[in-house]
Amino acid sequence: NAGVTQTPKFQVLKTGQSMTLQCAQDMNHNSMYWYRQDPGMGLRLIYYSASEGTTDKGEVPNGYNVSRLNKREFSLRLESAAPSQTSVYFCASSDAGAGNTIYFGEGSWLTVV
Amino acid sequence: ILNVEQSPQSLHVQEGDSTNFTCSFPSSNFYALHWYRWETAKSPEALFVMTLNGDEKKKGRISATLNTKEGYSYLYIKGSQPEDSATYLCALRDYGQNFVFGPGTRLSVLP
Repeated sequence: NAGVTQTPKFQVLKTGQSMTLQCAQDMNHNSMYWYRQDPGMGLRLIYYSASEGTTDKGEVPNGYNVSRLNKREFSLRLESAAPSQTSVYFCASSDAGAGNTIYFGEGSWLTVV
Repeated sequence: ILNVEQSPQSLHVQEGDSTNFTCSFPSSNFYALHWYRWETAKSPEALFVMTLNGDEKKKGRISATLNTKEGYSYLYIKGSQPEDSATYLCALRDYGQNFVFGPGTRLSVLP
């Protein structure tokens, strides 16, 4: 069972470069999420998609764009990377309902120099 | 906007000690409270989901309680083992299907 897969796992970018983080889930979940994790800050929501065709801003959306390509895939794009976007990025998915947990990908380590 | 706090930020205990940590939230207007276990270099794994005031859940040596009236949840680990070393995350699921995570409690169990 693949669960949530995200790529790339590691990336180094120069300031101003752009890149897209890819995410796919095979659990037929409606909701998908992008979080960033920084030391002492926990997981902070960047964007989420409650269902195919919808996306909404989370707590820290500035500098990012997302695309919910279909039910399986949810990509995160950095248009012009900045050093402040150095972080670990986690994609996740969940189904609706209070008892349904959130499943995470393995994380993408991004460094912007 | 939901707010989740966790304490302590980090904790060191000896193998065999029992321990507990707290998740607190000023508002009880949420769908469910989740606890996750997050080991270094892995992705978070679900431990418990609780929805009702007074809920108690148990899995082996780990248990959790929920008090929505006073705005907290406790996670207990009985007889800590080195393999329990991890960061424990509390999250609230809101009615918009979002998960708001606390900063976590980092537990180190020393052999």
